[in-house]
Amino acid sequence: GAVVSQHPSRVICKSGTSVKIECRSLDFQATTMFWYRQFPKQSLMLMATSNEGSKATYEQGVEKDKFLINHASLTLSTLTVTSAHPEDSSFYICSARDIQGSYEQYFGPGTRLTVT
Amino acid sequence: QQPVQSPQAVILREGEDAVINCSSSKALYSVHWYRQKHGEAPVFLMILLKGGEQKGHEKISASFNEKKQQSSLYLTASQLSYSGTYFCGTEDTGNQFYFGTGTSLTVIP
Repeated sequence: GAVVSQHPSRVICKSGTSVKIECRSLDFQATTMFWYRQFPKQSLMLMATSNEGSKATYEQGVEKDKFLINHASLTLSTLTVTSAHPEDSSFYICSARDIQGSYEQYFGPGTRLTVT
Repeated sequence: QQPVQSPQAVILREGEDAVINCSSSKALYSVHWYRQKHGEAPVFLMILLKGGEQKGHEKISASFNEKKQQSSLYLTASQLSYSGTYFCGTEDTGNQFYFGTGTSLTVIP
């Protein structure tokens, strides 16, 4: 089956620093990747849709200058949380959609970010 | 537009059945169903694309109504492993994808 990896799985950083999270599709090519954020006991909230070779589309209320998304290849998308603050602490999950046209989203295992 | 799920939470004894509903204010392109265990990423269960569609197997199945605004997930003869939070994910005709509000399911012995 399709596999999506995320790195790191867990990160703790100091307030004001930047953190980069990688999302890779390991055995398929993904034209579209999605980035979600999930707070405890809440649903996954879509942050942005990332298309290979073009600028990401951000959801309303998500600061594009704070959450930088780059989708440089068909297998890699990165999310950089710039100048992180404690309120950015959350579970960040990416998903990828197969270029072959399957409508299923394959999820990465998630990244737990804690900002101190 | 985030789809609304009901109920918010349900507790079942092993062997009992459950129905989880997902409702959108407008017609959808597709509806997906996922189960998420605590601290893990969601796991895909199934996708429905056609109005009036029903799919799945004996234990876990889903339906999509003719108007493509409502979907239901059916869990039959529940097992302990079914515990988790169930989310529907809906995609509209503009390719916007949103997760539902979630339903916490707990199966007890």
